[in-house]
Amino acid sequence: DSGVTQTPKHLITATGQRVTLRCSPRSGDLSVYWYQQSLDQGLQFLIQYYNGEERAKGNILERFSAQQFPDLHSELNLSSLELGDSALYFCASNRGGLAETQYFGPGTRLLVL
Amino acid sequence: AQTVTQSQPEMSVQEAETVTLSCTYDTSESDYYLFWYKQPPSRQMILVIRQEAYKQQNATENRFSVNFQKAAKSFSLKISDSQLGDAAMYFCAYRYSGAGSYQLTFGKGTKLSVIP
Repeated sequence: DSGVTQTPKHLITATGQRVTLRCSPRSGDLSVYWYQQSLDQGLQFLIQYYNGEERAKGNILERFSAQQFPDLHSELNLSSLELGDSALYFCASNRGGLAETQYFGPGTRLLVL
Repeated sequence: AQTVTQSQPEMSVQEAETVTLSCTYDTSESDYYLFWYKQPPSRQMILVIRQEAYKQQNATENRFSVNFQKAAKSFSLKISDSQLGDAAMYFCAYRYSGAGSYQLTFGKGTKLSVIP
């Protein structure tokens, strides 16, 4: 158990809908990273937050957005969902330092029908 | 842009034997970190081992060790005395040490099967 929690574990929804994925980092961790794992794209970095502020963006679509709240949990919002958004979405956390290892949550499996 | 290549989509090893998974990467940076993550059927991403580029000594963690060749930009993972629980996808990952984000760049993965 990494100490990172993600909810829900599974999500099934329809095209065009909007969903919110939630991540709680390990106790004491300030930085949260979101990754997408799909069959065709592999594991891709989406976005990073550090202590409530956006730190970096990767291959994140404009339909996707995220935020980190004062209690340091983070939410990833996916809107206007398409079939190709079906994937496993991981959250990872660390204290934010240069030498810090990222610890991954169990992921949320999203299926868009 | 940094890229990570795992040229072996699938590998198999006999239980108790040794197997080596390959990884190469492309970067113009001199200071970075390399990682191997394991993803079993449960889909959890588990850190296996990490290597700092400035360290010449190869990292080891129990039955897992790496062969880090900085000039060749190669970072292979050796698993000794393979166990059934080692069966999983293994991902090689790179992280730049410079200012800014510390996101991971992953390879496509190698699926390891362990034969009893």
